[in-house]
Amino acid sequence: DQQVKQNSPSLSVQEGRISILNCDYTNSMFDYFLWYKKYPAEGPTFLISISSIKDKNEDGRFTVFLNKSAKHLSLHIVPSQPGDSAVYFCAASALQGAQKLVFGQGTRLTINP
Amino acid sequence: KAGVTQTPRYLIKTRGQQVTLSCSPISGHRSVSWYQQTPGQGLQFLFEYFSETQRNKGNFPGRFSGRQFSNSRSEMNVSTLELGDSALYLCASSPLTSDRKLFFGSGTQLSVL
Repeated sequence: DQQVKQNSPSLSVQEGRISILNCDYTNSMFDYFLWYKKYPAEGPTFLISISSIKDKNEDGRFTVFLNKSAKHLSLHIVPSQPGDSAVYFCAASALQGAQKLVFGQGTRLTINP
Repeated sequence: KAGVTQTPRYLIKTRGQQVTLSCSPISGHRSVSWYQQTPGQGLQFLFEYFSETQRNKGNFPGRFSGRQFSNSRSEMNVSTLELGDSALYLCASSPLTSDRKLFFGSGTQLSVL
């Protein structure tokens, strides 16, 4: 029972263009969503988050959009840079058990020069 | 501030043995969580400790256990190791702020032969 899904295992984008990573969830109890970035041999690093009371959150080049009716969120990176090449994980949390994050399978993003 | 520290970085064990992994959270963080990352299952929640008490537990067999000490440091133990326990074990600490952000260590790579 995969409650958080990232259906694209990989994505390749040209430097300077927009990268869009997608995530779907099934559990209506999730009320907070986070994106993490992971390099090989390192732990995930927090990127950006969004509460279910919002539909958009922006931080520099990173924007997360939440569509609650579709149970879908996306991460936009613009412009994409070579250093953005990494695996991106979407995660969700419910108020009950807030520190328990449910992660998607990850999307490997490659930025081509 | 020092980040989350996990030791050892790499570990090789044989089936049937037991293993103890250690985690030192960021100073001031009282919540510590453990996650298992495998290529097939992604990142999965093991358990969370706060003030030396287990608050949440994931769907793992009883061979997986943990504890937290009064200084917030945490250990996890896996007994009677199986080949399928080979994974990256990640520890995360949290300041328990409203954004539910977790700070991850670099992990312990466990190989079971």
